[in-house]
Amino acid sequence: SQTIHQWPATLVQPVGSPLSLECTVEGTSNPNLYWYRQAAGRGLQLLFYSIGIDQISSEVPQNLSASRPQDRQFILSSKKLLLSDSGFYLCAWTPRRDNEQFFGPGTRLTVL
Amino acid sequence: GENVEQHPSTLSVQEGDSAVIKCTYSDSASNYFPWYKQELGKRPQLIIDIRSNVGEKKDQRIAVTLNKTAKHFSLHITETQPEDSAVYFCAANLMNAGGTSYGKLTFGQGTILTVHP
Repeated sequence: SQTIHQWPATLVQPVGSPLSLECTVEGTSNPNLYWYRQAAGRGLQLLFYSIGIDQISSEVPQNLSASRPQDRQFILSSKKLLLSDSGFYLCAWTPRRDNEQFFGPGTRLTVL
Repeated sequence: GENVEQHPSTLSVQEGDSAVIKCTYSDSASNYFPWYKQELGKRPQLIIDIRSNVGEKKDQRIAVTLNKTAKHFSLHITETQPEDSAVYFCAANLMNAGGTSYGKLTFGQGTILTVHP
């Protein structure tokens, strides 16, 4: 069966510090991968998606970047965090387009 | 791009009553509409989805209806139970200019459903 992991589960970082969040998927190959951010009490905003290794598309201009160095690894990064980067970051995967997206457990990021 | 509006933002019902959540979408090219349930502090989980080639789909106490002409779809929960209390999100797939989506979804803002015992 397939599983998706995210770490860390929680993170508190000062403004201006770097960020690296990792997502890995097990039990499947060539998944579509997605990064979402969820602000408190709000919906999910799609940040990045990837259909293959080193193939990343950004949905919104922002202070963040994403990379996919391996088929089942998706990384969200920032060189300098802003207060507005605080939120709940969710990674998701789907075996092919327009099917159920499976979400990871999420990383709760607080920027102080 | 796609815009998804969801109403109401909060919904409070008594156990055993029905609950209805409605969403509208803007892009007539969208053809996949999932509904997710998210409990406090947890990840969203799919509860039901519908594709544009059908008008209704049912799974036990949960049903979804789709009106392509009006570009709206609704979630219906019957015989609600306290464990149905959660935030519910609708979504529509986001199409690129070339008519593909790569599985991208645009989400509504969510409905906080509270079922009182």
